[in-house]
Amino acid sequence: QSVLTQPPSASGTPGQRVTISCSGSSSNIGINYVYWYQQLPGTAPKLLIYRINQRPSGVPDRFSGSKSGTSASLAISGLRSEDEADYYCAAWDDSLSGHWVFGGGTKLTVL
Amino acid sequence: QVQLQESGPGLVKPSQTLSLTCTVSGGSISSGSYYWSWIRQPAGKGLEWIGRIYTSGSTNYNPSLKSRVTISVDTSKNQFSLKLSSVTAADTALYYCARDHCSGGSCYFDYWGQGTLVTVSS
Repeated sequence: QSVLTQPPSASGTPGQRVTISCSGSSSNIGINYVYWYQQLPGTAPKLLIYRINQRPSGVPDRFSGSKSGTSASLAISGLRSEDEADYYCAAWDDSLSGHWVFGGGTKLTVL
Repeated sequence: QVQLQESGPGLVKPSQTLSLTCTVSGGSISSGSYYWSWIRQPAGKGLEWIGRIYTSGSTNYNPSLKSRVTISVDTSKNQFSLKLSSVTAADTALYYCARDHCSGGSCYFDYWGQGTLVTVSS
């Protein structure tokens, strides 16, 4: 059971906009930044969004992040087939001396 | 370009201690504001953070694993290591090492190893 809650799956057709939610609590998302990682099949996760809505160099602006209260969202616009992957949210949790927590992951299917 | 490479036994017997090492290349493990983390992923499941270490030796651990985990660093070899004791089948997973980059009041995993599969079985 993951500390952050994500839907197990999401889907969309090419060109569509999809959003993936991530729900946490006052000790993690409520007071800290949220990060998103993309994991393509058979590969290590890759940083997609940091500090809620910042994109590392090389990440298309089709990807965006937002946060409200103890929840966060990842939005992907202009969906492409290569976006089919698992997406994980993460946040630092200030409880119990501090530790990273992840969401359970959302498998995005491009129909 | 920073690279991380995990190494260690792929098979560990139940109740024994799992030991892995992560070798960092392309940069000094001591430079910059970096923590060095271990993260695992059981087959077909999500990511679980195990713990991290700063080069000063300061550590943070996942509360659910804390009693069994020790992370250490060897700056002379540019390596950091994971020991997980009293393993069971539930510890079978792909183990990743990652750089936890801290700046501007936030940290994030910017470099990852390719992962190493550890199976716990007799």
